[in-house]
Amino acid sequence: GAGVSQSPRYKVAKRGQDVALRCDPISGHVSLFWYQQALGQGPEFLTYFQNEAQLDKSGLPSDRFFAERPEGSVSTLKIQRTQQEDSAVYLCASSPKPVFYEQYFGPGTRLTVT
Amino acid sequence: KNEVEQSPQNLTAQEGEFITINCSYSVGISALHWLQQHPGGGIVSLFMLSSGKKKHGRLIATINIQEKHSSLHITASHPRDSAVYICAVLNRDDKIIFGKGTRLHILP
Repeated sequence: GAGVSQSPRYKVAKRGQDVALRCDPISGHVSLFWYQQALGQGPEFLTYFQNEAQLDKSGLPSDRFFAERPEGSVSTLKIQRTQQEDSAVYLCASSPKPVFYEQYFGPGTRLTVT
Repeated sequence: KNEVEQSPQNLTAQEGEFITINCSYSVGISALHWLQQHPGGGIVSLFMLSSGKKKHGRLIATINIQEKHSSLHITASHPRDSAVYICAVLNRDDKIIFGKGTRLHILP
């Protein structure tokens, strides 16, 4: 079956632009996670949804970052007024269980802010 | 100091060599994961451990809770094992903390 998909795979934005990154989790997975991975670093947790509820957004680096999952399936990570330090790969993962077990990762969206 | 430290950061070895990647952590955990990340970003979960040892094919993962240390071993390494291996722990507050990864390159 289909895995986790993310779009776009690559995004170049000019500083100050807003961007929206999409994640399509595996159908039926209750949990969805967003991570940010800077070049040469391990991923860092951003936010976590259980169905449509955003249970943890403690990793979002600023109020310019906003995530939603209104119907408990597809999720969008929005970054407003992008800055150069936002350049990273944004990874989405879904899981059939709550919390960090059996996570299935998407290919990521590489965001470059110029 | 990072809460999850991996060593080495980079490792180059010849095909067939036995590989060991280490992960040390400083927080109380409920589980530890080893992940594999190939070029292009795709991440695959290899193991989840809370105690002891697990084996899958040529991969072996061990954890020592008292010493707060885990190792990932690859036997009879192959060029297709070339990837970044990431250790991640789930702390007592169910927060996930990742290591920076070990970049492994196996030469044919």
